[in-house]
Amino acid sequence: EVQLEESGGGLLQPGRSLRLSCTVSGVTFGDYTWSWARQAPGKGLEWVGFIRGKVYGETTEYAASVRGRFIISRDDSNSIAYLQMNSLKTEDTAIYYCTRATPYFDLWGQGTPVTVSS
Amino acid sequence: EIVLTQSPDFQSVTPKEKVTITCRASQNIGSNLHWYQQKPGQSPKLLIKFASQSISGVSSRFSGSGSGTDFTLSINSLEAEDAAVYYCHQSSSFPFTFGPGTKVDIK
Repeated sequence: EVQLEESGGGLLQPGRSLRLSCTVSGVTFGDYTWSWARQAPGKGLEWVGFIRGKVYGETTEYAASVRGRFIISRDDSNSIAYLQMNSLKTEDTAIYYCTRATPYFDLWGQGTPVTVSS
Repeated sequence: EIVLTQSPDFQSVTPKEKVTITCRASQNIGSNLHWYQQKPGQSPKLLIKFASQSISGVSSRFSGSGSGTDFTLSINSLEAEDAAVYYCHQSSSFPFTFGPGTKVDIK
């Protein structure tokens, strides 16, 4: 059974940093592109970014709203994708989902909540 | 950025009726359009990939059509369990974008 499990969410003040993790099991992690999406309270889905596999140089793409503040990385040996979030803003408050991008999002985690508030 | 618009925003439907949701892209995206279902408190679930391709394990009552800029998700013979928000998503160009969602309610 394929599982994606996000962790690391929490409550923090604007300007702080947070790293989210996505631990994947049941699939060959290194073969795929892994993505993050988010959903603000009561709002729709927003794509955050993704990281391609080693074959594609582990290159990344980001939404304009997070580019320069968020960094996606991966640890293929442990099947984990990371989302490093810096200079957090109140508008970054959301549930953050880890997904597999093929390029449609066919696998989703349960999400981890991030609240940015003073 | 490619903007996706969906209509209607909300639809209240009687069981066994057919539901049609449209998604329009601000520019030609070929068939790079995918549909998701999100029930309250749950993660989204992929329903249709590349505009019309079915997904293993997804009910055959869900179907998609369209290409270019205009796309449709159809739900035949609506069931109570289909109450959800439905989103379209384009993977034609970066940044990937989602439509605003269509909420389907059961009367």
